[in-house]
This record gives sequence, C-alpha cells and structure tokens, in this order.
Amino acid sequence: AQKVTQAQTEISVVEKEDVTLDCVYETRDTTYYLFWYKQPPSGELVFLIRRNSFDEQNEISGRYSWNFQKSTSSFNFTITASQVVDSAVYFCAVNLNTGFQKLVFGTGTRLLVSP
Amino acid sequence: GAVVSQHPSWVICKSGTSVKIECRSLDFQATTMFWYRQFPKQSLMLMATSNEGSKATYEQGVEKDKFLINHASLTLSTLTVTSAHPEDSSFYICSAKGTSRTGELFFGEGSRLTVL
Repeated sequence: AQKVTQAQTEISVVEKEDVTLDCVYETRDTTYYLFWYKQPPSGELVFLIRRNSFDEQNEISGRYSWNFQKSTSSFNFTITASQVVDSAVYFCAVNLNTGFQKLVFGTGTRLLVSP
Repeated sequence: GAVVSQHPSWVICKSGTSVKIECRSLDFQATTMFWYRQFPKQSLMLMATSNEGSKATYEQGVEKDKFLINHASLTLSTLTVTSAHPEDSSFYICSAKGTSRTGELFFGEGSRLTVL
C-alpha cells in the first residue's frame, strides 16, 4: 500500500536560511506521481509540484527546488533563502490510483520562519 | 486557473444536527471529486470519491450513513454529516481534477466543522 513519511514534524529557521523538507514514500506501482502541497494557516491547500516517477530530473522554481531520488524513494523539497511567508505546513503525497486523483498524504512538516 | 470552492468555510452546529458542505468546481466540470478529512495538526485522510450521477465510493472505515455524499451535477458535490457529534469536528477538504492536459488536482479552501 502507498505510504508517505515526513519524519520532520516541525522545523524552525530564521529568515534567509535554506531549509530542506524530507519526504520518503512507499508504493507498489511502477508508475506513480509525487506531490508537494503547502497549507498556510488559512487552511487551503496550495499546489506546489507534481512529479512523474519516470522523470528523475531535479526541478527548480524560483526559491523552491525538489530532489527526486528513486533509488531511495525520496522526494525532498528545499526552500532557499526562506521568508516569513513560507511559514506553513507542507505535505508530501503520492497518488493512490492511476489517475493521480486520490492522494495519500504524509503527516506534514510545519515550517516556522522567523524574522 | 481552475478553482474549487467550498461553502461554508466554517460552521458550528449542535450535536445531533446535520450539516451540509458544498464543493463546487467554478470554471470546469468535474465528474469526480474527492473528500478528505483533516484533524487538527494531522494529515489529510481520504474519505470518499464522489461520482457524478452515481453512488460515492467510500474508503475503508468511513461510515456511509454518517457521511452522505451527493454529486448532483458536473460542478457540485455535497457532503452531509448526519447526526453530527463532537468527534465529527474536523476540517473537511474537497478536491477535483481539472480538465486541462496536465489534469492538475485542485483543492477547495476547506470547511471547518465544530460540533458542540
């Protein structure tokens, strides 16, 4: 069965520090999708990235970057030069079905960025 | 971009009453929507799949009679928490898959239910 582990419950950093959020997943599927979502205090889930298991290239989007290591079943997320607005809970997820509509979420990592 | 909207964003009700939460896809049609539940400081747990024009599919352990799901149109799914009790207090979030080529999954803003 699919499972996502986010071992870091809470991380506190000072603004401008770099921070990496870890994600380790388990799935029996050979083709799967991995996701990262941000949940600010207001509650809505903000989509950050979706990655196909065949695409192991690392991705960078502004201050965000993702490191996908299929060999270790990890999909880590790094925020460079963190800002206070980055404070939120971040969820990693893997799809539960082939249409990547049903997701299994990790327990989330709460990131606190202080000025 | 595509948007999924939930209403109400928060609701307080007395124990024993029923509460309906709506999930709408605002600028796209969604034949399938999903309902998740999130307890405070916990992860999201998939409750059920809402299928337009047919019965919902519930995940193991989710009471069908407690959480009634109706997908009356291509843009609306409703979740009714029947005879609510304090343990039903939670954050309920719906999601829907967009119709673009990328098929991005969109989440609603969530509905916080508090049962007194």
